[in-house]
Amino acid sequence: DTGVSQNPRHKITKRGQNVTFRCDPISEHNRLYWYRQTLGQGPEFLTYFQNEAQLEKSRLLSDRFSAERPKGSFSTLEIQRTEQGDSAMYLCASSLAGQIYGYTFGSGTRLTVV
Amino acid sequence: TQLLEQSPQFLSIQEGENLTVYCNSSSVFSSLQWYRQEPGEGPVLLVTVVTGGEVKKLKRLTFQFGDARKDSSLHITAAQPGDTGLYLCAGANAGNMLTFGGGTRLMVKP
Repeated sequence: DTGVSQNPRHKITKRGQNVTFRCDPISEHNRLYWYRQTLGQGPEFLTYFQNEAQLEKSRLLSDRFSAERPKGSFSTLEIQRTEQGDSAMYLCASSLAGQIYGYTFGSGTRLTVV
Repeated sequence: TQLLEQSPQFLSIQEGENLTVYCNSSSVFSSLQWYRQEPGEGPVLLVTVVTGGEVKKLKRLTFQFGDARKDSSLHITAAQPGDTGLYLCAGANAGNMLTFGGGTRLMVKP
């Protein structure tokens, strides 16, 4: 068990560019969650998947944000036309459906929009 | 909208002192978790409490879930410099989507 893996760890991009982040969950976990954390705040829920189905996406911050989990394993989070306000840490977590124990976060991707 | 308020936001204490961090909400949660986060890393789960009134101990850390499952506390006995970090509480509901508090930044000075 290698834990939840996120890539890249850091991303610097120019305003207006698109960025994509990847999350590889713990292999036996069927739920995958995305959160955003800005400096000095607690993480904020964005979206989650059970297997390949996206069960909640109303909390994505705008239509520039989208997420996929095409085969029910890894997931990607894409931000189109990045803005400076998108600068934050993007965190991925995974768990088993119905199990609050074992909820595990990755180390995050730190995005800086310049 | 469910909100979790943590207090205090910042705490600076000397090694050996005791401290308590509070996590309060007007909403009921099915469970509540406490995390510790180091700079540049993701949160690491410390404990999950599920039953109202539940108390869990993890070495020098004692966690309590309120009877009504709306609030929680974290008590650290004889704090050590290694306890320094950001402590986050998070309430879980349907789908185990977590609502986080704003965090308590703890610094323990040697």
